Amino acid sequence: NAGVTQTPKFQVLKTGQSMTLQCAQDMNHNSMYWYRQDPGMGLRLIYYSASEGTTDKGEVPNGYNVSRLNKREFSLRLESAAPSQTSVYFCASSATGTSTNEKLFFGSGTQLSVL
Amino acid sequence: AQSVTQLDSQVPVFEEAPVELRCNYSSSVSVYLFWYVQYPNQGLQLLLKYLSGSTLVKGINGFEAEFNKSQTSFHLRKPSVHISDTAEYFCAVRGYSSASKIIFGSGTRLSIRP
Repeated sequence: NAGVTQTPKFQVLKTGQSMTLQCAQDMNHNSMYWYRQDPGMGLRLIYYSASEGTTDKGEVPNGYNVSRLNKREFSLRLESAAPSQTSVYFCASSATGTSTNEKLFFGSGTQLSVL
Repeated sequence: AQSVTQLDSQVPVFEEAPVELRCNYSSSVSVYLFWYVQYPNQGLQLLLKYLSGSTLVKGINGFEAEFNKSQTSFHLRKPSVHISDTAEYFCAVRGYSSASKIIFGSGTRLSIRP
């Protein structure tokens, strides 16, 4: 089982460049998430998708856009990267709605540096 | 909306000593509560969760947590820690609605001294 696949693993951007982080899960999960992890700040939710075709802002959505392309895929786009977006990004999914299966499955992370 | 506060950013303890990592949450609705662990250079994995029922929840690696609704707390405990428990621990909360998001606290770094 692949679980949650996240690409790329590493990326260096210049200020103002754009990029898309890709995420796909093969567990038939309804819910998908994008978090960023910064030292001392834990994981902060960027965007959330409760189901195919729906997205919702999280705690820190500014500067990001998302697309829930289908049930499997949830991409995160930085339109004009800024140094403040240097972080480790995690995609996650869960089978929300079946409480006994409440558990986030995480991708391996993307280390992004914006110069 | 829900929020989580982890009061201690770092907790140093000696090996074989007990430890408690504190977590308080805020919510206007009933919640599910979680503890996740991130070992050095690894991803996050679920340690334990409270969904309903018994307020004392047991997880992996000898950890347990107690849900206290009146104090809005979900503190994590282990009676005797090992070097291998060195990691960052995250408390998280989600409302009952299927549309509710999972929000994490800022994390507590547990360091074990021999």
